[in-house]
Amino acid sequence: GAVVSQHPSWVICKSGTSVKIECRSLDFQATTMFWYRQFPKQSLMLMATSNEGSKATYEQGVEKDKFLINHASLTLSTLTVTSAHPEDSSFYICSASPGQGTIQYFGAGTRLSVL
Amino acid sequence: QKEVEQDPGPLSVPEGAIVSLNCTYSNSAFQYFMWYRQYSRKGPELLMYTYSSGNKEDGRFTAQVDKSSKYISLFIRDSQPSDSATYLCAMSDSGYALNFGKGTSLLVTP
Repeated sequence: GAVVSQHPSWVICKSGTSVKIECRSLDFQATTMFWYRQFPKQSLMLMATSNEGSKATYEQGVEKDKFLINHASLTLSTLTVTSAHPEDSSFYICSASPGQGTIQYFGAGTRLSVL
Repeated sequence: QKEVEQDPGPLSVPEGAIVSLNCTYSNSAFQYFMWYRQYSRKGPELLMYTYSSGNKEDGRFTAQVDKSSKYISLFIRDSQPSDSATYLCAMSDSGYALNFGKGTSLLVTP
């Protein structure tokens, strides 16, 4: 149990375009979902936290207008990287929690390459 | 000082060895302690979850929490090449969000 599906696993896009990443909890209802960014050989950096039906809470330094988060249902959250630039290239990982976040189950991650 | 400290390694051991992975922390309010395993280019996988102090065993894995020393450990017995991955410790206080260590890279050689 506790499966989180994240798509796509890898996306390449041109600079200036927008990219949407989906995160779904397949066998539980996710009260809270999290979005992380991970640089090579670094730990996970929390970008934002979202609860179903409410606005996401962004961590300091994360541009909310660039990284749009929608938590439309208890099983789906999306991250849209708007007007992507090469510096946005990174590994983005979502996680879902049946509670407030103590136990988090992670997706497989999305590798974004912006040309 | 970061709230969670973890030696990044790399740690290289021969197959069959006992592996010890550790984290220290500074926030005495942390009560929930997790270990995640992350293979290259994959998302973290929850291995062990412990509340408060004590030991927890699951197969070849044992997690220990010493709150008095603010020190947690993960032991892997009879290590296998398939255990080669990055191990992340994570902890939380009130149940909201996780504080991650940087991860320790482990290589188990045949």
